[in-house]
Amino acid sequence: DTGVSQDPRHKITKRGQNVTFRCDPISEHNRLYWYRQTLGQGPEFLTYFQNEAQLEKSRLLSDRFSAERPKGSFSTLEIQRTEQGDSAMYLCASSLEQGETQYFGPGTRLLVL
Amino acid sequence: AQKITQTQPGMFVQEKEAVTLDCTYDTSDQSYGLFWYKQPSSGEMIFLIYQGSYDEQNATEGRYSLNFQKARKSANLVISASQLGDSAMYFCAMFGAYTPSNYKLTFGKGTLLTVNP
Repeated sequence: DTGVSQDPRHKITKRGQNVTFRCDPISEHNRLYWYRQTLGQGPEFLTYFQNEAQLEKSRLLSDRFSAERPKGSFSTLEIQRTEQGDSAMYLCASSLEQGETQYFGPGTRLLVL
Repeated sequence: AQKITQTQPGMFVQEKEAVTLDCTYDTSDQSYGLFWYKQPSSGEMIFLIYQGSYDEQNATEGRYSLNFQKARKSANLVISASQLGDSAMYFCAMFGAYTPSNYKLTFGKGTLLTVNP
């Protein structure tokens, strides 16, 4: 049973550029979560999918952020017109059911110059 | 809403000794779940242990045990026989078990554990 995978592991971009991250959850997990972690802090919830349905978006997720999970399998997180404040670790997690243990991927470290 | 407090920014322990990492929480939910995760420098959050609020026994997973004191709202992680590979950030987290938002984990700020040889 493979774990959660994320791609890319690292991304450096210039301010104003668009970036897209991918997350592949554990295969039988139909719940998928995105979190953001800034330096010296714990992860903060961004958004949540049950299968292909996006059920909640945090207020942290501005209009420049969009997440999809088109077939209920992998998910993408896109940030448009990146800003330096978007620099963070973006973590994806999955669980079998809501309210169960969430298993995290290795994260994508984003640096916006 | 939930809140997690980890008061120890950093901890040091000698190899083979036990160490306790502190976690206190605040919630108005009657039923909730408490988690500990380990984050090495590589960045991946590794699940260690889970404690349900109605579990009568303290959770244990190998060298990890959770010292759950419900009245004090504390959920300390005890690592026995520390190993060099235990050096990492450790996060305490929780969610309300039967609330509509029981998919959101709330994390503390973490404790950086360094194991000395």
